[in-house]
Amino acid sequence: RKEVEQDPGPFNVPEGATVAFNCTYSNSASQSFFWYRQDCRKEPKLLMSVYSSGNEDGRFTAQLNRASQYISLLIRDSKLSDSATYLCVVNRGRDYKLSFGAGTTVTVRA
Amino acid sequence: GAVVSQHPSRVICKSGTSVKIECRSLDFQATTMFWYRQFPKQSLMLMATSNEGSKATYEQGVEKDKFLINHASLTLSTLTVTSAHPEDSSFYICSAFPPGRGNEQFFGPGTRLTVL
Repeated sequence: RKEVEQDPGPFNVPEGATVAFNCTYSNSASQSFFWYRQDCRKEPKLLMSVYSSGNEDGRFTAQLNRASQYISLLIRDSKLSDSATYLCVVNRGRDYKLSFGAGTTVTVRA
Repeated sequence: GAVVSQHPSRVICKSGTSVKIECRSLDFQATTMFWYRQFPKQSLMLMATSNEGSKATYEQGVEKDKFLINHASLTLSTLTVTSAHPEDSSFYICSAFPPGRGNEQFFGPGTRLTVL
């Protein structure tokens, strides 16, 4: 079983739409959770950390469900610039090593 | 913000040659850096942890004699792919986490290696 599993998509949505997707992780000892964004052939960049109580950053809302070991990301009022691959990332426990999902591709069309 | 650079950004080499990739933390010191590899449409896979002043630790299945890591200073780690073969063609990315930023990791821009 993969450490982090994501729906690869793609999610094709019109501008202004809301899109949501999630991922599951297998390591119950994971303590830190993130969503990274990766544009084509570029390095990942941190979108937001995910906290137990859920958190919001502008149009982006992340939720964490520790009991079910899944993390979600919701994007409201989608912009063309939101088109990217979104990587679900969790740490492996107490060290700083990260496990990455394969990514969910989102394409926002005009 | 914290900046991590990598050099070269792209390299094409013949099978059997060795390729060195540099990872630098430009505005902070990093006692630990990480090396990842990403094949097309796949997730980043951690290859090894680079430790300044000590040997690198490798993930299961990664050959330490093939992927040589040297953490020469607090701002530089190098990954050398020895005797590269076409199956080593991939996107290699390093990361580091600056002190005081929790466990947020910053990634270099990556090096795209193509072995002919």
